[in-house]
Amino acid sequence: GEDVEQSLFLSVREGDSSVINCTYTDSSSTYLYWYKQEPGAGLQLLTYIFSNMDMKQDQRLTVLLNKKDKHLSLRIADTQTGDSAIYFCAETEGGGADGLTFGKGTHLIIQP
Amino acid sequence: ETGVTQSPTHLIKTRGQQVTLRCSSQSGHNTVSWYQQALGQGPQFIFQYYREEENGRGNFPPRFSGLQFPNYSSELNVNALELDDSALYLCASSPMGGRTDTQYFGPGTRLTVL
Repeated sequence: GEDVEQSLFLSVREGDSSVINCTYTDSSSTYLYWYKQEPGAGLQLLTYIFSNMDMKQDQRLTVLLNKKDKHLSLRIADTQTGDSAIYFCAETEGGGADGLTFGKGTHLIIQP
Repeated sequence: ETGVTQSPTHLIKTRGQQVTLRCSSQSGHNTVSWYQQALGQGPQFIFQYYREEENGRGNFPPRFSGLQFPNYSSELNVNALELDDSALYLCASSPMGGRTDTQYFGPGTRLTVL
């Protein structure tokens, strides 16, 4: 079945860039998403990218997709304390009826 | 614009009992999906409802069932609760005319089974 892998923890200094990585196994993945979850809260949709794109930029967020290596990354520029959260990568073939397949999440820790 | 809302926020049940969780979709959204998030894990897809019918299902047993109402709100029912059902249950809705995989999540219901 599909599998999505992420590193469990990432620690960065405030003001630096954070790069969160994700790999997936399903070659049929068409849509890939990044979600943010703060303690005790639901998931906030940050951004998404279609498989026919290589890069997408949205303010401080840059998503890079290497479809050949099935590798997705999320770069957060100028990381702030408010960015401290768990970041989930998710994928789907499309259509929605199979739901999203999520990784286990990366805990982003901000050092002052 | 009101986002996805869920009730109750927290719930404690004992093994063998039944539970109903509720979700109101975001305004302008007509598709609802349910996920189970165990502690330290990513969300796992339970099922999706569209036009009051189940539109897709993940690897969950039949004791997990749902409903969608004409106003697009939804319920998740779990019968014969087991200890492993303890989790955060997340509801997500998708906009009308959009792709149902672009999903906006509610805050979740924390279910504890004792």
